Amino acid sequence: DTAVSQTPKYLVTQMGNDKSIKCEQNLGHDTMYWYKQDSKKFLKIMFSYNNKELIINETVPNRFSPKSPDKAHLNLHINSLELGDSAVYFCASSQGWGRGNNNEQFFGPGTRLTVL
Amino acid sequence: DQQVKQNSPSLSVQEGRISILNCDYTNSMFDYFLWYKKYPAEGPTFLISISSIKDKNEDGRFTVFLNKSAKHLSLHIVPSQPGDSAVYFCAATTNFGNEKLTFGTGTRLTIIP
Repeated sequence: DTAVSQTPKYLVTQMGNDKSIKCEQNLGHDTMYWYKQDSKKFLKIMFSYNNKELIINETVPNRFSPKSPDKAHLNLHINSLELGDSAVYFCASSQGWGRGNNNEQFFGPGTRLTVL
Repeated sequence: DQQVKQNSPSLSVQEGRISILNCDYTNSMFDYFLWYKKYPAEGPTFLISISSIKDKNEDGRFTVFLNKSAKHLSLHIVPSQPGDSAVYFCAATTNFGNEKLTFGTGTRLTIIP
C-alpha cells in the first residue's frame, strides 16, 4: 500500500548513458514533483506537474526531461549522464497546488543515482 | 543563494528532554513554513506547518514557533523520544499551499536513551 513509489531504488551507470527513473503515486493526487538532493544535502525542486501539465521547471539542464503519461505517474528521463548528476532523486505528490490548498507533499523513498 | 538555513547540522538530546531545532530564512516573501522528518533510506515525511499569520502551532509533542521579524522559526519536541532520531528539514514557500518548497539542509537529531 505504498503511497509514492520509485523505481529503481539504486542506479549505477556510466557517463554518457541515458536512464529513466519511474514514479507512481496511488493517492489520487493531482500534482507530482521531482526533487534532487545533492552531496551537500540540498533538497531542490526540479519539476512539478499538475494534472499532467508542467507548472514548475527550475533551472535544470535540458538533458532532464519529465514525462507524465497520466496523473499517477511522473517519470524522469536523463540523457547523456554526467558525473554531477550523481545524487538522490525524490519524487513527491500533493493533492492540489496553489494558494488556499492544504498541499502537504508526500515523498517517495528516493533513487540513489551514481554516475561513474 | 541559500534562502532557508539550518545552521546546526547535528544535535544530540537526552531522552525525555526538549529538542529545539532552528531554521532561518532570508526571503521575506515566504509565508508558509513546514518541517519534514527523514529517516535513512526513506523520503521526507511531513511533520508540522505554520502560516505567517500565526506565531505558534502545536501538534502533540511538536510545536513550531515563528518569529517573522527575525525571520526565524524553531521546532520544539517535548519530551524527546528515541524514535525522534532522524534528519529534520525546514521548508518554506511563498504560497499558502506547498507549491515550490525551498528546503534547508537539515539537522540530524540524535536522541540519547
